[in-house]
Amino acid sequence: QVHLVESGGGVVQPGRSLRLSCAASGFFFDTYRMNWVRQAPGKGVEWVAVIWSDGSNKYYADSVKGRFTISRDNSKNKLYLQMDSLRAEDTAVYYCARGDDFLAFDYWGQGTLVTVSS
Amino acid sequence: EIVLTQSPGTLSLSPGERATLSCRASQSVSSGYLAWYQQRPGQAPELLIYATSSRATGIPDRFSGSGSGTDFTLTISRLEPEDFAVYYCQHYVSSPPYSFGQGTKLEIK
Repeated sequence: QVHLVESGGGVVQPGRSLRLSCAASGFFFDTYRMNWVRQAPGKGVEWVAVIWSDGSNKYYADSVKGRFTISRDNSKNKLYLQMDSLRAEDTAVYYCARGDDFLAFDYWGQGTLVTVSS
Repeated sequence: EIVLTQSPGTLSLSPGERATLSCRASQSVSSGYLAWYQQRPGQAPELLIYATSSRATGIPDRFSGSGSGTDFTLTISRLEPEDFAVYYCQHYVSSPPYSFGQGTKLEIK
């Protein structure tokens, strides 16, 4: 059974950093692309970043490019999102989601809330 | 980047009725890589439909997807109480970004 569990959210001041983690289980983690998707309070979902199965390629939404870094550790079945220079508009629930070229984002975690506020 | 526009923003219907949700792309969606997700309050989105018309595992057959090019539709044939939620369409291909529509809220009339 596929299971994705995010952690690391919390309250952080503008300009500071935070690192999110996503623990994966129940599938061959090293064969899937992994994504971060976020949802600001009361708003729609926004794709944030993707990393290829072997970590060879990474892509970002323009809104986070240069500030966020996606990474993974296939030996630990973990996905990460390093968020630097945080802004109030980064406040959101952050989800990790398994990606597939054909099956889209077929599994999602329950999300972790990041609040950027002074 | 492909921009997805969903309509209507809110749809008010009664249980048992048929729901038709629209998703229009700013340019042609290659190879039909269009997905639909359902999000209930307080929950993560759940994949309903992928590749325009294929139902994800465990999704009831009252949900169906159709379309091509720039116009796509999610149809719920007979609404059940648990279907009242927010629905998002998404364009996904090998090359990001993976854009989502702004969502359609399906509410009980």
